[in-house]
Amino acid sequence: DTGVSQDPRHKITKRGQNVTFRCDPISEHNRLYWYRQTLGQGPEFLTYFQNEAQLEKSRLLSDRFSAERPKGSFSTLEIQRTEQGDSAMYLCASSSVGGDYGYTFGSGTRLTVV
Amino acid sequence: RKEVEQDPGPFNVPEGATVAFNCTYSNSASQSFFWYRQDCRKEPKLLMSVYSSGNEDGRFTAQLNRASQYISLLIRDSKLSDSATYLCVVNTNAGKSTFGDGTTLTVKP
Repeated sequence: DTGVSQDPRHKITKRGQNVTFRCDPISEHNRLYWYRQTLGQGPEFLTYFQNEAQLEKSRLLSDRFSAERPKGSFSTLEIQRTEQGDSAMYLCASSSVGGDYGYTFGSGTRLTVV
Repeated sequence: RKEVEQDPGPFNVPEGATVAFNCTYSNSASQSFFWYRQDCRKEPKLLMSVYSSGNEDGRFTAQLNRASQYISLLIRDSKLSDSATYLCVVNTNAGKSTFGDGTTLTVKP
């Protein structure tokens, strides 16, 4: 499979717990992006990497969120001390440098905080 | 004000109709433009890039007006399978994409 893979597909967690999501991008793509999407809204930018370097992080992202891409391949997104407002679809996408040909998205991880 | 604005719709049209969606963006430094399609509870998928000269892909035509910071998507001869949310997307030169909130289209028999 040459697409973008995300794991898990669904996650239900209790408020206050930590969660971690994984994304495996298309292998030839050196850019990896994380977005969050809630019902009725478009995807909202969280952060992105070029290879292993995190180039930008949204100002909307609180300190409870952290992302890594240690070897420039897969990436993880961790949310600490989850809150009900964190419930959303977390989308990962990858692209070649510049993104001029658009992104390929994974199927997303749907997080529900109860 | 959002960086990318779209009419949320919904647009409800009969099969065979022609429908047009509009989008405006605020960042004049934006360099590349796209339309994505998103089906219910699925991930967005790239529909087409948008070029200044306008471009067509089958029944779909995209236009860009840089002076007015306006993007459009025209769908001719609508099919039931065109029912989806259409997301307007703008890239800065850093390659980061900013998405609109989408326009929902329902094509009815």
